[in-house]
Amino acid sequence: NAGVTQTPKFQVLKTGQSMTLQCAQDMNHNSMYWYRQDPGMGLRLIYYSASEGTTDKGEVPNGYNVSRLNKREFSLRLESAAPSQTSVYFCASSEAVGIGYEQYFGPGTRLTVT
Amino acid sequence: AQTVTQSQPEMSVQEAETVTLSCTYDTSESDYYLFWYKQPPSRQMILVIRQEAYKQQNATENRFSVNFQKAAKSFSLKISDSQLGDAAMYFCGRGGNNNDMRFGAGTRLTVKP
Repeated sequence: NAGVTQTPKFQVLKTGQSMTLQCAQDMNHNSMYWYRQDPGMGLRLIYYSASEGTTDKGEVPNGYNVSRLNKREFSLRLESAAPSQTSVYFCASSEAVGIGYEQYFGPGTRLTVT
Repeated sequence: AQTVTQSQPEMSVQEAETVTLSCTYDTSESDYYLFWYKQPPSRQMILVIRQEAYKQQNATENRFSVNFQKAAKSFSLKISDSQLGDAAMYFCGRGGNNNDMRFGAGTRLTVKP
C-alpha cells in the first residue's frame, strides 16, 4: 500500500497562475483533508471532505477550491496564486471524521509563488 | 480561537536521556482528543501518540508517554532513552467530533550524540 500520495512534490508558480494539487489514498478511507504548513504556525486545515460527495471549509479556505473526485482522490486548486500561498501543502486521510480516527499524511508539496 | 500552544520552539537532549516537550490547549468541547505528531526532515508527518480526553490513564507507546492534565489543559510528551532518530519537529494538537483539528507551532528537538 502506498498510503497517501501527492503530486507534484515541488512547484513554482508566478502570481496569478493557477494549478491543481493532486492527492490520492489507497486505504479505502472515507475522509480526506488538505492542510498548509507555514513556518512558526504548524498545520492549518484548508478544506476537508468527510465522505465522497461532500466538502467543507476549514480554518483557512480563502483562495482555494477543492474537488472530491471519487473516494480515492481529493484535489486542491489555486485559481489565481498569490505569494501568500507559498507554503507546504499536506493531504491526509482517515477512516472517518472525529474522535478515534487517526489521520494519515502524504509527503507534502512545497509550493512557491513568486 | 481555540488554540494549541507549544512554548518551546527548540529543545535538545543528550542521547539516552529523557526530554519533555510541553503543550497546552484551549477547547470548549467536552469530547476531544489530543495527539503528538513527529515530522523528520523528510517532511512526513508520523503519529507518535494520541489520547482521548475521557481517558484518565496517560497514554504510552514504547519510549513515548504523555502527561495529560485535563483541568490544566496540558498535554506534555516525554521521550525516554532518546535516540538519534528522535530528532525532528514535534507538533502537538487537538481534535474533536466537528473536525476542528488544531496544531501547535511545533518544537524542534535535537538529539546530541
